[in-house]
Amino acid sequence: RKEVEQDPGPFNVPEGATVAFNCTYSNSASQSFFWYRQDCRKEPKLLMSVYSSGNEDGRFTAQLNRASQYISLLIRDSKLSDSATYLCVVNIQSDYKLSFGAGTTVTVRA
Amino acid sequence: DVKVTQSSRYLVKRTGEKVFLECVQDMDHENMFWYRQDPGLGLRLIYFSYDVKMKEKGDIPEGYSVSREKKERFSLILESASTNQTSMYLCASTSGATSTDTQYFGPGTRLTVL
Repeated sequence: RKEVEQDPGPFNVPEGATVAFNCTYSNSASQSFFWYRQDCRKEPKLLMSVYSSGNEDGRFTAQLNRASQYISLLIRDSKLSDSATYLCVVNIQSDYKLSFGAGTTVTVRA
Repeated sequence: DVKVTQSSRYLVKRTGEKVFLECVQDMDHENMFWYRQDPGLGLRLIYFSYDVKMKEKGDIPEGYSVSREKKERFSLILESASTNQTSMYLCASTSGATSTDTQYFGPGTRLTVL
């Protein structure tokens, strides 16, 4: 079983729509959670960290559900520039190692 | 501005060749990482280094070695390239002492082994 699993999508949504997707993790001892964004043929970049109480950054909202072992990302009022692959990232151990999901692809159409 | 650079964007090598991939960061970061990224598998950690001359195996170190002689430079070596090492290789660095710190990635090297 993979440590971090994501629905690969693609999620095709019109501009202005809301899109949400989840990521599940297998290790209940996981401590830190992140969403990274990867544009086509580019490197991943940190989008946001995910905190226990949930957090927002502009149009992006991240939630953590420890009981069910998943995190979610919601994008409101989608823009064309939101088209990317979103990587779920989890720290399994309390060291430098991160575990990456394979990514969820979002395509926003005009 | 944070910058991680990799020596090549695209590389084509033959089976059995020794391959060097270089990564340089200009942020005085302590920790550096090498990943490979394959469709459907996500990023998988090959090796990481938390200090000069220090290295730790990641999840898939077989067939690879690394070198960190200077703080800013972390090299990945494929001793004898094989076709199953065809992949996108990403280098990353982070300043902090824990994995909660942001990892900054280089642009990647797409390696094809024929």
